[in-house]
Amino acid sequence: GESVGLHLPTLSVQEGDNSIINCAYSNSASDYFIWYKQESGKGPQFIIDIRSNMDKRQGQRVTVLLNKTVKHLSLQIAATQPGDSAVYFCAVTISGTYKYIFGTGTRLKVLA
Amino acid sequence: DAGVIQSPRHEVTEMGQEVTLRCKPISGHNSLFWYRQTMMRGLELLIYFNNNVPIDDSGMPEDRFSAKMPNASFSTLKIQPSEPRDSAVYFCASSLMDLGNEQFFGPGTRLTVL
Repeated sequence: GESVGLHLPTLSVQEGDNSIINCAYSNSASDYFIWYKQESGKGPQFIIDIRSNMDKRQGQRVTVLLNKTVKHLSLQIAATQPGDSAVYFCAVTISGTYKYIFGTGTRLKVLA
Repeated sequence: DAGVIQSPRHEVTEMGQEVTLRCKPISGHNSLFWYRQTMMRGLELLIYFNNNVPIDDSGMPEDRFSAKMPNASFSTLKIQPSEPRDSAVYFCASSLMDLGNEQFFGPGTRLTVL
């Protein structure tokens, strides 16, 4: 798996702007993808998931896009709010298996 | 549902002491995972249980680490003897293992070994 190192990529966005966080994966057999949000001192919290038979899925203020051709997924957060400040990371797996590959986290900072 | 419950939330101990971390998974979930998170290595899977049976413990660092799941509602992760390099946040997660359903994480136990 990939690791979240000392120097997490950081995305700084102005409050109210849209945020886009990216994740690349390597196993073309992967068919289930999840975005997690981890706030300081807390456990990862499920945000949204998508299966490989879809290329887009929307939730409340969040959208996940999946491009299987280039093995890339992204998380879009609309109208970013201070409460969105956290580390976000993707998890990739194959349905029916238990091992998640966690992507490199991205720290989202929302500027007031 | 209260979600995944872990205790203690914080543990400070001295090198050589035994440490026991506890987890109560979400009721009805049949899979339980123990992870360790550090700044350098991120989230690492230590062990995975399905229906209370350990399926994959290849992530357990060494013999000092052991995990049990005596019933569907309780699991422990034990470190004996503990070492400073074991300092990390330990997460328990549970899921209903059905075509890759999402894993729900507990709040974690922050372990500091002096």
